[in-house]
Parts: sequence; structure tokens; C-alpha cells
Amino acid sequence: AQSVTQPDIHITVSEGASLELRCNYSYGATPYLFWYVQSPGQGLQLLLKYFSGDTLVQGIKGFEAEFKRSQSSFNLRKPSVHWSDAAEYFCAVGATGNQFYFGTGTSLTVIP
Amino acid sequence: GAVVSQHPSWVICKSGTSVKIECRSLDFQATTMFWYRQFPKQSLMLMATSNEGSKATYEQGVEKDKFLINHASLTLSTLTVTSAHPEDSSFYICSASPHYRENTEAFFGQGTRLTVV
Repeated sequence: AQSVTQPDIHITVSEGASLELRCNYSYGATPYLFWYVQSPGQGLQLLLKYFSGDTLVQGIKGFEAEFKRSQSSFNLRKPSVHWSDAAEYFCAVGATGNQFYFGTGTSLTVIP
Repeated sequence: GAVVSQHPSWVICKSGTSVKIECRSLDFQATTMFWYRQFPKQSLMLMATSNEGSKATYEQGVEKDKFLINHASLTLSTLTVTSAHPEDSSFYICSASPHYRENTEAFFGQGTRLTVV
């Protein structure tokens, strides 16, 4: 069965510090992996996605993620966090027919 | 990129009434749309898969008689919460993908905040 685990419910970082959000997945075939960001009361915005090829993918707003098949992971990173990055982040795996399975989310707080 | 529009963005209704939420793909056709529900501080849970021209497929535990889904055209799916109760208060989000592109990015609506009083 497909599942996505985000071990960190809440992370607090200082502005300018680096960030890594963890994501582990369970999927029976080659996964299609996504990271979405959600601001309070808003819908989802796609940060980046992995389908195939280069395992290090670049996204918007300076985010990147690395697919590691051996670890079943797709961690999201950003070298320097901005206050505007404070939001909820969801990792998702795409299944057949565009059905998505989401992790429980990681809430990011950025302190000055 | 493709745009999915959801309407209304928020709605307050009285207990016992029904509420309809619309999900439209504005610049592409979608044979399949998905409806998710999100409780505060929680993740998105798939409720049902909406199939154009046929019955929706509901996830286990989702009451199909309570959450009526209609997908009458390739650009519109509706979710009707019937006889709403306070426990139905939640954030509902739909998603869709161009029908010719399987397993690509899904485009999400902006969500509908439902409050039942």
C-alpha cells in the first residue's frame, strides 16, 4: 500500500539558516514524488516534483529535493530560509490515475 | 500552468442544510478529479475520485450518500455535502490533471472552508 511519512510535525529555524524537511514513502513501483506548500487557509502550491532522471530536482523559491531510492526518501532542502517560507509543507506520492497520497505535513516556523 | 478553480472559497451554513462546492478546470479537460478533506492541522485525506460520466469512487469510510459527487462534464465536478452537521466543518480541496497526462502534476483548487453552525 502507498504511504508517505513526514517524521517532523513541526520545525523551527532561524531566518537565513538551512532547512531540510524529511519525507519517506512506501510505494510498489517507481514513485512520482511531489512537494507542496500550503499557506494558512490557502490551497496547495507545487514546489517541485520528481518523475525520473536526475535525482536532484530544483523547484521554485530556491527549494530542491533529492530522491534516494535506497532510502525511500525525498527530502526537501533550502540553503537559506526566508521569513516568507513559514507555511505547511506536504510531501506526496502520485499513484495511478493521478491519485495522490499525502504525508501528514510539516509546519515550518521561521524566527527572526 | 493549468488552473483549477474552486467555488466558493468559504461558506457558512446551518446544520441540516446542503452545500454544493464546485471544482472547475479552466484551461484543460479532466476525465478524473479528486476530492480531499483536510481537518485543522492535519493532512489531506482523499475522499473520492470523480469520474466524468460515471459514478464516483469513494474511499473507505466516506459516506457516499452524504457527500454526493457529480462530474457532468470534462471541466466540472461538484461535491454536495447533504444534511450538513458541525462535524462536516472542514477544508475541502479538489484536484485535477489534464486527461492526456497521467501521473503528472495535479493542479489543486484553492480550497473551500466549510463551517456548519
